[in-house]
Amino acid sequence: QQQVKQSPQSLIVQKGGISIINCAYENTAFDYFPWYQQFPGKGPALLIAIRPDVSEKKEGRFTISFNKSAKQFSLHIMDSQPGDSATYFCAASRTNRDDKIIFGKGTRLHILP
Amino acid sequence: DTAVSQTPKYLVTQMGNDKSIKCEQNLGHDTMYWYKQDSKKFLKIMFSYNNKELIINETVPNRFSPKSPDKAHLNLHINSLELGDSAVYFCASSQGSFSGANVLTFGAGSRLTVL
Repeated sequence: QQQVKQSPQSLIVQKGGISIINCAYENTAFDYFPWYQQFPGKGPALLIAIRPDVSEKKEGRFTISFNKSAKQFSLHIMDSQPGDSATYFCAASRTNRDDKIIFGKGTRLHILP
Repeated sequence: DTAVSQTPKYLVTQMGNDKSIKCEQNLGHDTMYWYKQDSKKFLKIMFSYNNKELIINETVPNRFSPKSPDKAHLNLHINSLELGDSAVYFCASSQGSFSGANVLTFGAGSRLTVL
């Protein structure tokens, strides 16, 4: 019930291509779905987030698609660049300060120059 | 001016030793966390404090003891270190309000190597 399943574990994409990372959750009480980006040697940092009242959110080249009925959400990186090479984590939580954020297991993305 | 700072950044020690990692945040956040990231990059929450009060305590060996002297600081003390404790430990903070999103701000991590 508390899991967030993320796939793929690793992803290699050509420069200029579209990178897609998928996540699925079980707990329908989750109401906040962020994506975190982590570069080597750094802590994760919030990239983009969505709430279930919208089906899509776009910020620059990064888009979250959300399917509430399927309990799935995905991150799309358009025109992927070598600088996007990082580990990406999806996560889910309830808007309640006592609730922990559940992270997926991460996707290592490598963009070929 | 670093928002979430943790020290030391690297820690190499022998099995059986006791060590501490310190964390400070200057964001005025109410909630602080410790996460463990293993070699496969899995991020696992260990503890969470809200205004010095322990609110999340995952299944962590009792060799790990967090201490929050005030809401801006959360330290992690580890007794009798074992090989399996080798990991990167991240401190994080969030505003943790009921009305806002639970956005985490992470520190840069402390890499612990137990020999």
